[in-house]
Amino acid sequence: EAQVTQNPRYLITVTGKKLTVTCSQNMNHEYMSWYRQDPGLGLRQIYYSMNVEVTDKGDVPEGYKVSRKEKRNFPLILESPSPNQTSLYFCASSFTQGASEQYFGPGTRLTVT
Amino acid sequence: GQSLEQPSEVTAVEGAIVQINCTYQTSGFYGLSWYQQHDGGAPTFLSYNALDGLEETGRFSSFLSRSDSYGYLLLQELQMKDSASYFCALGETGGFKTIFGAGTRLFVKA
Repeated sequence: EAQVTQNPRYLITVTGKKLTVTCSQNMNHEYMSWYRQDPGLGLRQIYYSMNVEVTDKGDVPEGYKVSRKEKRNFPLILESPSPNQTSLYFCASSFTQGASEQYFGPGTRLTVT
Repeated sequence: GQSLEQPSEVTAVEGAIVQINCTYQTSGFYGLSWYQQHDGGAPTFLSYNALDGLEETGRFSSFLSRSDSYGYLLLQELQMKDSASYFCALGETGGFKTIFGAGTRLFVKA
């Protein structure tokens, strides 16, 4: 089954404790993205990747890191989480760049206390 | 910078037709997409317009006018299950960002 998986689905952590949210897709997509969703703000892109070893900042990259060592995986790293990073996070992938037909993972609800 | 504007809420009656508008400001983009998101779920792709005009997919249609910086999603024969949030999104040229609107919450009443 074609899908994007994310783990964990829920995470409660404390300020400053490094964490990684994994994302994997099995569709051989080149383009992958991370978004955060906050009430009233829609989806805001954090980072995206055009292909292996090619990543770039979205609109809200501060406090986040990503890597793309393999085509299928695109982990999101918060090296020192803060409460303002409490949010719902989605990973997405598509064959090409842009908004056309992105497939979304189920989401990760992160709470930073 | 790039931005997309959508109404925050729309209410319609079951069986009716509803149009959700999206206006945008951008220096260039590949196309305009629409996504649906039910409460507690992930966004799912509905439609994409690379060129001006109407794209039809079952009960859903999407329209784009680049000259007017405007697009819309048309939902026909509304069903209760269409109650959800709808997002327009565009992929910018000159880079590869994807920008989403803040979303329109659609309430379908019996």
